[in-house]
Amino acid sequence: AIQLTQSPSSLSASVGDRVTITCRASQGISSALAWFQQKPGQPPKLLIYDASSLESGVPSRFSGGGSGTDFTLTISSLQPEDVATFYCQQFNSYPPTFGPGTKVDIK
Amino acid sequence: QVHLQQSGPGLVKPSQTLSLTCDISGDSVSRNSAAWNWIRQSPSRGLEWLGRTYYRSKWYNDYEVSVKSRIIINPDTSKNQFSLQLNSVTPEDTAVYYCVRERITAAGARFDSWGQGILVTVSS
Repeated sequence: AIQLTQSPSSLSASVGDRVTITCRASQGISSALAWFQQKPGQPPKLLIYDASSLESGVPSRFSGGGSGTDFTLTISSLQPEDVATFYCQQFNSYPPTFGPGTKVDIK
Repeated sequence: QVHLQQSGPGLVKPSQTLSLTCDISGDSVSRNSAAWNWIRQSPSRGLEWLGRTYYRSKWYNDYEVSVKSRIIINPDTSKNQFSLQLNSVTPEDTAVYYCVRERITAAGARFDSWGQGILVTVSS
């Protein structure tokens, strides 16, 4: 199975800061990568699919990039409601696998 | 707008069978451009895909290798739902279980709709 790693595992930033999370795949996955946001007590919510496509209804401050093995999720201006854990997930080959998560909070 | 509603017991005894159901509204379990998945989440194992069922002129299943001998995912077209059965459970199967729609388009596949999640504890 393809392994995904994320960095950092947690971060603390100020409101309005630009925040970037990295996801690395153990082998090339083209652009078959998604990003999810999960708040406590809720299921994961899809933010980005196909590495850079914004899911309908997701604020434009979220963006994704990368291909092959290295990917990024960027929040252009961190908002208080963005406090959550973020996960990457690959769909290039079965089984689908998830990264371990990056916890984001407000400084 | 698709909505997935999960139901099932929150406590299962070791060696017994975990059974959960996912009711679908706003979509069809038989839709050719979707697949219906079960994913679980625990602090020790993170988010873990378990398997899926989907219809492409006939029904197919895919299962995670580590649970393949213990899992059955079945569609029920008359009720527009699908179910998870996990046999011979141990405390390691304690997790929040989610049913999830996999939407398949020209842009690829994505897990775009999730049930509310059910915490299933395996304990005597």
